[in-house]
Amino acid sequence: AQSVTQPDIHITVSEGASLELRCNYSYGATPYLFWYVQSPGQGLQLLLKYFSGDTLVQGIKGFEAEFKRSQSSFNLRKPSVHWSDAAEYFCAVGIKAAGNKLTFGGGTRVLVKP
Amino acid sequence: DVKVTQSSRYLVKRTGEKVFLECVQDMDHENMFWYRQDPGLGLRLIYFSYDVKMKEKGDIPEGYSVSREKKERFSLILESASTNQTSMYLCASSRLWEASNYGYTFGSGTRLTVV
Repeated sequence: AQSVTQPDIHITVSEGASLELRCNYSYGATPYLFWYVQSPGQGLQLLLKYFSGDTLVQGIKGFEAEFKRSQSSFNLRKPSVHWSDAAEYFCAVGIKAAGNKLTFGGGTRVLVKP
Repeated sequence: DVKVTQSSRYLVKRTGEKVFLECVQDMDHENMFWYRQDPGLGLRLIYFSYDVKMKEKGDIPEGYSVSREKKERFSLILESASTNQTSMYLCASSRLWEASNYGYTFGSGTRLTVV
């Protein structure tokens, strides 16, 4: 069965600094890959997704993610963090053959220092 | 604006009560899902449904049941609430064969506390 690992439970970053969130997946083929963000007390909002093609994917709110097949990774980045980026971020994989559902990682909580 | 609406943002229930969590979507999606979210554990799938009156167990169905009588509505039922069911519950929906491709649309969540 596929699995998703987000190694960092918490990350603290200063406002204006860069941010990188790690995501590794376990699956034999290339899955569909997603990043979601959850602001406090809210549901999850889709930031970006990767299906195929260009391995660098642009999303909303200035985020991007890079798919690296050799490392089974799909890391999320933002060059300059704003205080409003404080949230929890979830990586997810989708495999149609596995029942057309998403499998989520454990999440990374991002704190932004002024 | 398309939506997945969960009827309650916060609920407090007593141990042993029967609890209903309601979810309604207005996107004519075939798939609907119930997840629970706990710190450090991410989202865990409880049940999902790909059609009216159809349901499939997810990873943690014990202590829960679901009902889907209409396409737009998917209810999660806690038959006899226990304190270990205190959690955030998230409902989501997607097109039938597009969850893997396009992801889900999520509701805002229901934070349930069982005392």
